[in-house]
Amino acid sequence: KAGVTQTPRYLIKTRGQQVTLSCSPISGHRSVSWYQQTPGQGLQFLFEYFSETQRNKGNFPGRFSGRQFSNSRSEMNVSTLELGDSALYLCASSLAVGGFDTEAFFGQGTRLTVV
Amino acid sequence: AQSVTQPDIHITVSEGASLELRCNYSYGATPYLFWYVQSPGQGLQLLLKYFSGDTLVQGIKGFEAEFKRSQSSFNLRKPSVHWSDAAEYFCAVGGLGTGTASKLTFGTGTRLQVTL
Repeated sequence: KAGVTQTPRYLIKTRGQQVTLSCSPISGHRSVSWYQQTPGQGLQFLFEYFSETQRNKGNFPGRFSGRQFSNSRSEMNVSTLELGDSALYLCASSLAVGGFDTEAFFGQGTRLTVV
Repeated sequence: AQSVTQPDIHITVSEGASLELRCNYSYGATPYLFWYVQSPGQGLQLLLKYFSGDTLVQGIKGFEAEFKRSQSSFNLRKPSVHWSDAAEYFCAVGGLGTGTASKLTFGTGTRLQVTL
């Protein structure tokens, strides 16, 4: 069974540009969450999508957005990139069929560097 | 607001020695607690989780953790560490009742170094 796939693995962008990251969850998983990992702030929750609807959102500016498609694949977009957006962006998928006893499976992440 | 504290930033143990990584949490209701491990350049792998029931939970790779409500702790243990256990370990708390595994709050992590 394929795991969570994130593309691309590495990305270099210039300040002011925008970027789109992609996450393909495990087959059958309908919940996708995104996290930002930086040395200074650690792992921080960005948002979560379930059945194409945003269910939860973390404390990030509006430059960070996401969406989920009908096949549960998700994308996150960061507009007007800042140097501080350089981070490892992790995607996690889970069954989320009700009840909390589901495990979040993480992808290997996309390493974004803003120069 | 929920929070997780991992007081040890870096721990070094000898191979074969026992290990305990500390985790304290703050959460207003019954927490759902997790331990994840991250190897360099990799994503997070779940070691174990606690939702309810037996306060001593067993995980993969020989790890276990004990939930102590009175101490707001969920410490990770392993009786004998292997060199391949060298990685960064994250404790996380969740449980907003959304029915999903979303919105986990992570600790800052403990980097484990294993000496031969």
